[in-house]
Amino acid sequence: AQKVTQAQTEISVVEKEDVTLDCVYETRDTTYYLFWYKQPPSGELVFLIRRNSFDEQNEISGRYSWNFQKSTSSFNFTITASQVVDSAVYFCALSRSLGAGSYQLTFGKGTKLSVIP
Amino acid sequence: DAGVTQSPTHLIKTRGQQVTLRCSPKSGHDTVSWYQQALGQGPQFIFQYYEEEERQRGNFPDRFSGHQFPNYSSELNVNALLLGDSALYLCASSGPRQGYEQYFGPGTRLTVT
Repeated sequence: AQKVTQAQTEISVVEKEDVTLDCVYETRDTTYYLFWYKQPPSGELVFLIRRNSFDEQNEISGRYSWNFQKSTSSFNFTITASQVVDSAVYFCALSRSLGAGSYQLTFGKGTKLSVIP
Repeated sequence: DAGVTQSPTHLIKTRGQQVTLRCSPKSGHDTVSWYQQALGQGPQFIFQYYEEEERQRGNFPDRFSGHQFPNYSSELNVNALLLGDSALYLCASSGPRQGYEQYFGPGTRLTVT
């Protein structure tokens, strides 16, 4: 069975601080994708990143960076110099292949990030 | 290029009633997945439709059923509503041209009283 654990339920930081959101996953699949989504109060899930299980290179996109470590089954997300607009619930997710390129997602319970001005 | 759309935005139903939620996928997408997100939880996979057939189902009872139409749009039906069915229902569409990346709609907020 697949499982995603986001141990941090809520985090509060002061604007301009760096913050890291943790994600640990369990899967028996050898090929899978890992994702991060942002969910603002409006409710719509906003895609942030997808990583292939074979690609362990860290990735940076502006103020966002991701650290994928297969050895510890972790896929952590860091926001540098946080801003008030970063306040949202962040979800880590793991894919399970359904064949023909399609997949279903297993989500963690989310981490609510509050950035205080 | 319109994204994934869902209707209605909000819905209030009484326990025991039936409800139908609708989803129009992003242009070029042929696969639709439905997720249920209870308050304070992450989304949970209900099922996925492809070529008008249910391809995979998550751990949900038969009260949850769906349909996909030839134009790839989809409906989610829930019968004999329970209070515990109150949630945000998210539709995600995907397709081969974009590597099956799942694009989510804004969701339908269902409240069962």
